[in-house]
Amino acid sequence: DGGITQSPKYLFRKEGQNVTLSCEQNLNHDAMYWYRQDPGQGLRLIYYSQIVNDFQKGDIAEGYSVSREKKESFPLTVTSAQKNPTAFYLCASAKRRVGYLGGMNTEAFFGQGTRLTVV
Amino acid sequence: AQSVSQHNHHVILSEAASLELGCNYSYGGTVNLFWYVQYPGQHLQLLLKYFSGDPLVKGIKGFEAEFIKSKFSFNLRKPSVQWSDTAEYFCAVNDMRFGAGTRLTVKP
Repeated sequence: DGGITQSPKYLFRKEGQNVTLSCEQNLNHDAMYWYRQDPGQGLRLIYYSQIVNDFQKGDIAEGYSVSREKKESFPLTVTSAQKNPTAFYLCASAKRRVGYLGGMNTEAFFGQGTRLTVV
Repeated sequence: AQSVSQHNHHVILSEAASLELGCNYSYGGTVNLFWYVQYPGQHLQLLLKYFSGDPLVKGIKGFEAEFIKSKFSFNLRKPSVQWSDTAEYFCAVNDMRFGAGTRLTVKP
């Protein structure tokens, strides 16, 4: 089955610890994205990557880090610098539209999300 | 940076009522526009998309949206909603920047 897998579904961490959320896709998509979803605020873009070994900050990148060493994988680390890390995190991927450069992709496919609780 | 505004935070309708959810974007160049839906407990999924061509786009489950370039808008419509349309609806632009979402509650 093709799709995006986020793991784990629920994650608990103590304040001050870094934590890494996994996102894997087998759709052969070039682009991958990380979002944070909070009630009433929609999906806010944390980081995105259009190609392996390259990624860009989104709108709320502070306190987060990512890597894109493989096309299939785009892990997100929530660092201790993130002031309010408790949230629902969504990963997505998209295919590059043929003939377009620089960010014009097809629709995004989403994982099931990881709910992170920091206590 | 590109941004998306959704005007309605929560919309409550009775079954068979007509629906229109607003979406405005701020970007002057070529746009790709999307509407996604998130049913309770489910993944976000695509309702419809606009890349080019006919500005009236038809999607799944009887939804449609109209791209009006002069108004920077891409409003979502459905002539007659059903209880099963109860969900959260998100508008998105180009590089997957999303609006804040509109929660739709349809009363049976």
